[in-house]
Order: sequence, then C-alpha cells, then structure tokens
Amino acid sequence: DSGVTQTPKHLITATGQRVTLRCSPRSGDLSVYWYQQSLDQGLQFLIQYYNGEERAKGNILERFSAQQFPDLHSELNLSSLELGDSALYFCASSAGPNNYYEQYFGPGTRLTVT
Amino acid sequence: GESVGLHLPTLSVQEGDNSIINCAYSNSASDYFIWYKQESGKGPQFIIDIRSNMDKRQGQRVTVLLNKTVKHLSLQIAATQPGDSAVYFCAENISNFGNEKLTFGTGTRLTIIP
Repeated sequence: DSGVTQTPKHLITATGQRVTLRCSPRSGDLSVYWYQQSLDQGLQFLIQYYNGEERAKGNILERFSAQQFPDLHSELNLSSLELGDSALYFCASSAGPNNYYEQYFGPGTRLTVT
Repeated sequence: GESVGLHLPTLSVQEGDNSIINCAYSNSASDYFIWYKQESGKGPQFIIDIRSNMDKRQGQRVTVLLNKTVKHLSLQIAATQPGDSAVYFCAENISNFGNEKLTFGTGTRLTIIP
C-alpha cells in the first residue's frame, strides 16, 4: 500500500459526459501528479500540483483540468468524454516539488467511456 | 523529439537467474532516470533511480547502468524470484525552463519461470 488513495476504482460513462477523479496523497506529501495509462500510449504525464499551485504540465488535453485543494487532495476533471479517453488514470504524490523526489502511485481509476 | 523505448517487450527468465531489461532514450538533455515496476492491477512502484552524472547505481538485488554515449539504460535484477514478475518501465526526466516532465517507455513484461 503506497498510502495514496484514489476514488472511484472503476467508472463507466458515456461519450460527451463529464467525470471527476479524486486523489488523496500520502500524509505529508505536497506534490500530486496525474498520469494516464492507455494501451496504445503507455503511461503519460498529465499535470502536477505542488502545495496547491500548478507546477508542471504534460500532455493534458484542454478538455481535462485539475486542481489541488488546501487539504492537498486533488481532483482531475474530464469533460466532453470521448471513447479514446478510456484508460487507467493514476495519481502519484511526493514530498517535494520536482521529479527527484520519489513518487508514490495510487491504485488508479479505470475509466471506460462507452 | 523525446522518446524512451524498450528493446524487448517480453522477457522470460528462470527463477534464480539474473535478468536484464534494456531501455533506449533519445534526449541527451535528460538528467535523471527511474525504473518502475508495475504488477497486475496496481500502480507503478519506484525501484531505483540514477542521475546523469553517474553510470552505475546498486540497490537490493537491482543495479541500474547508464551509458550516455549510446543513450542506453539497463536494469539488472539478480537471483530473480516469482515476485519479480511484472511490467518494468524506464522513465527519463527532462527539465525545460523549469517545467519538468517524466517520459515513460512502453514497458517490458518480465515473467519468472518457476
């Protein structure tokens, strides 16, 4: 158990809909990262927050947005969902602001868009 | 462009033998590399890392070798055990004007044969 929790574990929704994925980092960790893992694209970095502020941005679509709240939990919002958005979404947390700090991954949320 | 790739998508090794998983990267500006292990149904788990100013780093039963001349990274696992069966990813860290990004390889599936 990494100490990172993600909810829900599974999510099935229709195209065009909007969903919110939630992540609680390990106790004391200030950074939260979001990743997408699909069969054809592998693991892709989406976005990072550190202590409530956006820190780094990766291959995140404009239809996706995220935020980190004062209690350090984070939410990833996916809107106007397409079939290609079906994937595993992982959250990771670390103690510091950059990638030199070990990242601990949650169990993931499996999103299926039908 | 940036890319991280793996030479072998699958690898089967007899229990007790040593295994070597390879990874090629193309960005000479990458300053930090990480190996992750992902078991079925779980998120990636940090194994070992290495900075670009090193060529070798050892952990418990694992060794990472970095050859910057040919842009090659390898993970050696000694005396493999059934619990080593998983998908292994390499990742490279690239800093671009303060925006850091981890880029992951597609992964190698390691199967330990009892």
